[in-house]
Formats: sequence, C-alpha cells, structure tokens
Amino acid sequence: GQNIDQPTEMTATEGAIVQINCTYQTSGFNGLFWYQQHAGEAPTFLSYNVLDGLEEKGRFSSFLSRSKGYSYLLLKELQMKDSASYLCAVRDQQAGTALIFGKGTTLSVSS
Amino acid sequence: KAGVTQTPRYLIKTRGQQVTLSCSPISGHRSVSWYQQTPGQGLQFLFEYFSETQRNKGNFPGRFSGRQFSNSRSEMNVSTLELGDSALYLCASTYNPGLAEGNEQFFGPGTRLTVL
Repeated sequence: GQNIDQPTEMTATEGAIVQINCTYQTSGFNGLFWYQQHAGEAPTFLSYNVLDGLEEKGRFSSFLSRSKGYSYLLLKELQMKDSASYLCAVRDQQAGTALIFGKGTTLSVSS
Repeated sequence: KAGVTQTPRYLIKTRGQQVTLSCSPISGHRSVSWYQQTPGQGLQFLFEYFSETQRNKGNFPGRFSGRQFSNSRSEMNVSTLELGDSALYLCASTYNPGLAEGNEQFFGPGTRLTVL
C-alpha cells in the first residue's frame, strides 16, 4: 500500500526559511508533487520531482531522495501570503495517474 | 485560458438523496480526476476518466460513480447520501497524464457538499 507522512502544523516568521518534510512508502514510485492550498481554495501546483535532487522555482525549492522515500519543500523569504496548507502527493505506478496525498502541513507565517 | 470549473459550488442535501456534480476541464485536457477532501482524511482519490473511460478507481463504495463525455466534461454522482459524504469534492484535469512532463493536475475550486 501507500503511506505519506508530513507534519501537521508548522509556524515561521516573515523573511525566514522553512522546510516541510514528507516521507512516503509506495510500491512503484512514479513522481512526487507539492501543492499549496489556501483556506477555502483549490490546491495549486508548486513542484514535481521524479528524479533525485533539487528543483528550484523562485522562492520555492523541492528535493527528492527516492532511496530514502523522502522529499522536502523549502520556502525562502517567507511572506504572510505563504500561510497555507502544503500537500505532498505521490504518484504510484500501481495507481496509474492517481495522486496519493498526505494530509497536509498547515504553515502559519507571522510578522 | 480558462481554468477548471465546477458546478455547483455549494450544495446541501439530506440523507438518502442523490447528487450530481459537474466538472469542465481546461480546454485540451483529456484526463479528469475526482477527489474527496475532508478534514480528517485529507484528499482522497475517487476516480479518473480519460477519453470517456474510467482508468482508475479509488477505494470508495459503489454509491460513488462518474462518467466523462466526448467533450471531456465529467460528472460524478453520489447516491443514497450519508452524513459522512459531507466534504469538498475536487476535480482536477491533466493535459497528458502519461508523460513525465506536463502531467501535473490542475484543480477546480471544488463543490462543497453538506449532507444533513
């Protein structure tokens, strides 16, 4: 089966850097996604990793280690608008194109 | 380019009733997936349709069903509603789910279903 774990809540201050970890167990890993979801809104795509290493997109970076079943999302120069839920999702070959989501990490950014 | 649209945005039903939700994917996207989001369980995969065929199905009872039309629009139906079906139902479209590139899912705003 599949299992995805990420911390439930995190807090940080404006301008800081925060790292949100995600560990997963799948039988046929086929890609990892990070999504951001503001309260009452739809999830929006942040990043995709299928090979080991770091993918950088502006203030956001995502890292993947397939051998460790581990990923993290790094948010730099935090802004108040970054307060949201961050969802880690894995695509498993056995599940086809379905995304298996973790329960999300609620990030609160304070001034 | 218009995003994924879902109708209705909010719905209140009573136990035992049935409901139909609609999703229009981004133009050109042929894959539509449905998810249920609840505070306790998070986002859970319901099913995926591609070219009018159900390709994958999650672990939900048969009361949950769906279909896709030739224009890629999709509907999902829940029959004999239960209190536990209260959730946000999200639809997501994908351009080409078979390739490594361009396979991210774009989500609609969701339909908030409340079952009383």
